[in-house]
Amino acid sequence: DVKVTQSSRYLVKRTGEKVFLECVQDMDHENMFWYRQDPGLGLRLIYFSYDVKMKEKGDIPEGYSVSREKKERFSLILESASTNQTSMYLCASSLRGLAKVLGEQYFGPGTRLTVT
Amino acid sequence: AQSVTQLGSHVSVSEGALVLLRCNYSSSVPPYLFWYVQYPNQGLQLLLKYTSAATLVKGINGFEAEFKKSETSFHLTKPSAHMSDAAEYFCAVTLIKAAGNKLTFGGGTRVLVKP
Repeated sequence: DVKVTQSSRYLVKRTGEKVFLECVQDMDHENMFWYRQDPGLGLRLIYFSYDVKMKEKGDIPEGYSVSREKKERFSLILESASTNQTSMYLCASSLRGLAKVLGEQYFGPGTRLTVT
Repeated sequence: AQSVTQLGSHVSVSEGALVLLRCNYSSSVPPYLFWYVQYPNQGLQLLLKYTSAATLVKGINGFEAEFKKSETSFHLTKPSAHMSDAAEYFCAVTLIKAAGNKLTFGGGTRVLVKP
């Protein structure tokens, strides 16, 4: 079974703090993704990475950065947390290059971040 | 660019009744379409997908969806709801050549099953 783990289920931070969210997958997937999930808006892509040290902006990258130093690990960084970044953050991974698995992403359980 | 619209953010059904969740997409090229389910306090998991083969797609837990190009729709159905179907359901689309296999998600539909 593919397993995607996230470092915390719940996190409470103060405005202005630097926040790190960690994601690890154990299936040697090339692609990794960070989403935020808000009621009524579904999932919105923040950043994704298709290889080590490679990253691309998603739809809402402002206020976030990412790091991928190892294939299995993808980190999301909030340089200076703000209250409008209070949300559920989901990490996902997928294989690359195989049409039969196109779009099949495996998700972690999520981190609910509250910024006060 | 592609987009997905799910009609109805909340749906309430009785146990044993039909479940129908609506999804319409917008895409300039033939898309791949997906339904994902999120049970309480869990991440999303794939329910089923359409990849240009059969237009009627069967998934896990008795769900199926039909791709209708003329209506740009990919509605999800289950003939008889079970209490365990209470969850949030997301429709998603990707393009064959989308960089990194990116998915675009709809806003989600939360299903409540009444006994």
